[in-house]
Amino acid sequence: DTGVSQNPRHKITKRGQNVTFRCDPISEHNRLYWYRQTLGQGPEFLTYFQNEAQLEKSRLLSDRFSAERPKGSFSTLEIQRTEQGDSAMYLCASSLVDGKAGANVLTFGAGSRLTVL
Amino acid sequence: AQSVTQLGSHVSVSEGALVLLRCNYSSSVPPYLFWYVQYPNQGLQLLLKYTSAATLVKGINGFEAEFKKSETSFHLTKPSAHMSDAAEYFCAATNTGGFKTIFGAGTRLFVKA
Repeated sequence: DTGVSQNPRHKITKRGQNVTFRCDPISEHNRLYWYRQTLGQGPEFLTYFQNEAQLEKSRLLSDRFSAERPKGSFSTLEIQRTEQGDSAMYLCASSLVDGKAGANVLTFGAGSRLTVL
Repeated sequence: AQSVTQLGSHVSVSEGALVLLRCNYSSSVPPYLFWYVQYPNQGLQLLLKYTSAATLVKGINGFEAEFKKSETSFHLTKPSAHMSDAAEYFCAATNTGGFKTIFGAGTRLFVKA
């Protein structure tokens, strides 16, 4: 098990371009999360999947953001028409839900850093 | 809405000194609480978690945290700091639905030789 893998690790793009990030979770985990982290802040929840179903989206996830998890395996986060305010670290995490849903522990990837010029 | 507050964005201690990182949560129902650590260029890693089994929770690397309902606090401590403890620490809580983990802003720990 190689943990949670995220690609690319760094992305520099020009304003208005589209970018896509990929996350490969731990294979036996059934939940996958996307978070955004900006400098000096903790991770902010964006969205999560239970298997292939996207069950919750934050208000932070504007119409320019879309996340998918086809077949309940890897996930992609696409940002269309990027803005400078989208510059951040995008974190992916996965977990295995047990009997106590709130006690599930998140395993994070190292993140994908986006810089929008 | 549930929130997590970490007092102090930066804490500096000498090697061998006590480490105390403060965390308060806001919730009408005691949530599940966590401490995560983030080393440079690495993902967040779980240090310890509180799930209502015991109020004093022991984690990895000699860290522990005590849940105090009356103070809505979950402070992280370590008796003796090591240089390798220098990192950013995040307190977190799950929402009552159990699917969203909410993080504090983080506290960066510096350890002086």
